[in-house]
Amino acid sequence: GAVVSQHPSWVICKSGTSVKIECRSLDFQATTMFWYRQFPKQSLMLMATSNEGSKATYEQGVEKDKFLINHASLTLSTLTVTSAHPEDSSFYICSARSRALNTGELFFGEGSRLTVL
Amino acid sequence: GENVEQHPSTLSVQEGDSAVIKCTYSDSASNYFPWYKQELGKGPQLIIDIRSNVGEKKDQRIAVTLNKTAKHFSLHITETQPEDSAVYFCAASKGYSSASKIIFGSGTRLSIRP
Repeated sequence: GAVVSQHPSWVICKSGTSVKIECRSLDFQATTMFWYRQFPKQSLMLMATSNEGSKATYEQGVEKDKFLINHASLTLSTLTVTSAHPEDSSFYICSARSRALNTGELFFGEGSRLTVL
Repeated sequence: GENVEQHPSTLSVQEGDSAVIKCTYSDSASNYFPWYKQELGKGPQLIIDIRSNVGEKKDQRIAVTLNKTAKHFSLHITETQPEDSAVYFCAASKGYSSASKIIFGSGTRLSIRP
């Protein structure tokens, strides 16, 4: 099956700093990737749709300037949490579909746990 | 936009018994309904999915049913085993192209009692 890799798997940072999370599709090309946020014991909330070569599409209520998304190639999307604050602490998960497989299955990365002190 | 509701939020069943999780969706245009299993600290993994042109699908101990008229779908796990303990999410999507968004339900924490 298709594999999606995220890095780092966990990160601790100081309040006010920025953190970048990478999402890579290892064995398939993804023109679109999705970024989700998950709080403890809660569901996955879609934050934005990352589009290769163009601007990301953000869900209502998600701050574009806070969560910068860049999808520079068909296998890499990055999420940068800018000027992080403790309330940004969460589990961030990326996902993608394989255009070649065309099954509809969404493949998820293993997630990145962000803790802001 | 699409809204997916899931019940129950927690479910405890005796090992060997069956477990049923139910979901409803709001957008009649949704036509792809996957179920994901998430273990602690990991990303979700697809366990089964169903498209709107099918009413039921089965894969070994797991089955999913879909009622398009009522806009609800259910996950059935039979002969439950300890390794079935996890959080399960239903989801709905309009289409299954690479750009189709998937909206998740609130999740069900399933515990299997030995």
